[in-house]
Amino acid sequence: KAGVTQTPRYLIKTRGQQVTLSCSPISGHRSVSWYQQTPGQGLQFLFEYFSETQRNKGNFPGRFSGRQFSNSRSEMNVSTLELGDSALYLCASSQGGYDTEAFFGQGTRLTVV
Amino acid sequence: SQQGEEDPQALSIQEGENATMNCSYKTSINNLQWYRQNSGRGLVHLILIRSNEREKHSGRLRVTLDTSKKSSSLLITASRAADTASYFCATDAKGGGNKLTFGTGTQLKVEL
Repeated sequence: KAGVTQTPRYLIKTRGQQVTLSCSPISGHRSVSWYQQTPGQGLQFLFEYFSETQRNKGNFPGRFSGRQFSNSRSEMNVSTLELGDSALYLCASSQGGYDTEAFFGQGTRLTVV
Repeated sequence: SQQGEEDPQALSIQEGENATMNCSYKTSINNLQWYRQNSGRGLVHLILIRSNEREKHSGRLRVTLDTSKKSSSLLITASRAADTASYFCATDAKGGGNKLTFGTGTQLKVEL
C-alpha cells in the first residue's frame, strides 16, 4: 500500500507570490490534515479536510487555504507569501473517523526569499 | 500552540542502552500518538495509545499513558544508531476532531 505522497518536495518562492502544495493520502483514507513545522513554533495544525469539506481549522491567517477533491487528494494554497511562511509543510492521512492513526508524508520544504 | 512539553529536550546515549522520553499534555484526550522524525523529513508513526489504555508495546518500543497525570512515556530498548532522530508526542483532544497537537520533541542521539 502506497504511503502519503506530497509534491513537490522542495520549493523556493519570492515574497508576494503564491504557492500550491499537493497531498495524495493513503488509498481508502478520507481525511487529510495539513501541518506547518518551523524551528520557532514547532508543529502546528493548519486545517483538516474530510469528504471535500473543511472539518477543522487552526489559527492561521486567511492567506492559508485548502481544498479536497472527490478522490481525497488535497491541495494547500498560500497566497501573498511572507518570509515567515518558510517552513516544512506536512500532510497527514487518516481513515476519517475520530480516534484513528494519522500517517504523514515526507513534507514539502518551502523557502520564501 | 503546543499542547505540552517533552522531556528531556535532548538525550545522548550509547548503542545498546535504553532511551526514555516523557511527554506531558494539558487537556483530556482520545489518544496520544508518538512519531519519529529524521533530520527535517516526514514524521513516521510509531504507536497510538488510547485514553483507556495504560501500556502498549511494539517491537522495541514501550509506551505508557497516565491520564491522571496527563503524561506519557516512550521507552526504546536496546537503542541502535539508526534510532537517532527527533521524537514527538501528539495528542488528539476530546472534542478536538482529528486535530493533533504536538509536543516540543526530544532529540535522541545514539552513539556507537
